[in-house]
Amino acid sequence: DGGITQSPKYLFRKEGQNVTLSCEQNLNHDAMYWYRQDPGQGLRLIYYSQIVNDFQKGDIAEGYSVSREKKESFPLTVTSAQKNPTAFYLCASRRGGGANTEAFFGQGTRLTVV
Amino acid sequence: KQEVTQIPAALSVPEGENLVLNCSFTDSAIYNLQWFRQDPGKGLTSLLLIQSSQREQTSGRLNASLDKSSGRSTLYIAASQPGDSATYLCAVTSYNQGGKLIFGQGTELSVKP
Repeated sequence: DGGITQSPKYLFRKEGQNVTLSCEQNLNHDAMYWYRQDPGQGLRLIYYSQIVNDFQKGDIAEGYSVSREKKESFPLTVTSAQKNPTAFYLCASRRGGGANTEAFFGQGTRLTVV
Repeated sequence: KQEVTQIPAALSVPEGENLVLNCSFTDSAIYNLQWFRQDPGKGLTSLLLIQSSQREQTSGRLNASLDKSSGRSTLYIAASQPGDSATYLCAVTSYNQGGKLIFGQGTELSVKP
């Protein structure tokens, strides 16, 4: 099946720890995105990448880092600098440059600080 | 700066009713508008994509319209069913924004049997 796979589904982080969320797609899409969803705040863009080896900060990039070494993979690292990381994280992808094509989302990773 | 608003935030209707969800945006310079469905604890499922040159798109019982000049879109759901209960989100892609989607806060729909 073609689609976007996020793992793990649930993740627990201790204070001061870095964690990495995985996002893999087999849709051959060039553009990939990471969003954060909090209750009552909608989806906010963390980072996005329109092509391999290139990425840009979104609206709330502080405390996060990404890499785009392969077309199919766009992992997100939540660093200890992110003071309030508990949220639902969603990965998305779009064909081509990503502006006028349909976006598809993964099933999300719920991150909780313990 | 593009802003997207969805009203109402929550809606409860009896089964079988036709209903309309609203989405408005402040900047009409968009490539497209996309409607999504989100079930609790799940990711987003794409329902309909309307390009800026289109007026509407249909899929089954769903019909989405776009009036770019007035900054409005509606999602019409015919003959609603309990299985339609979910949160519905709209998102726009604006010019010169790197393809990122700007989301509304969503409308939580409950269809009562």
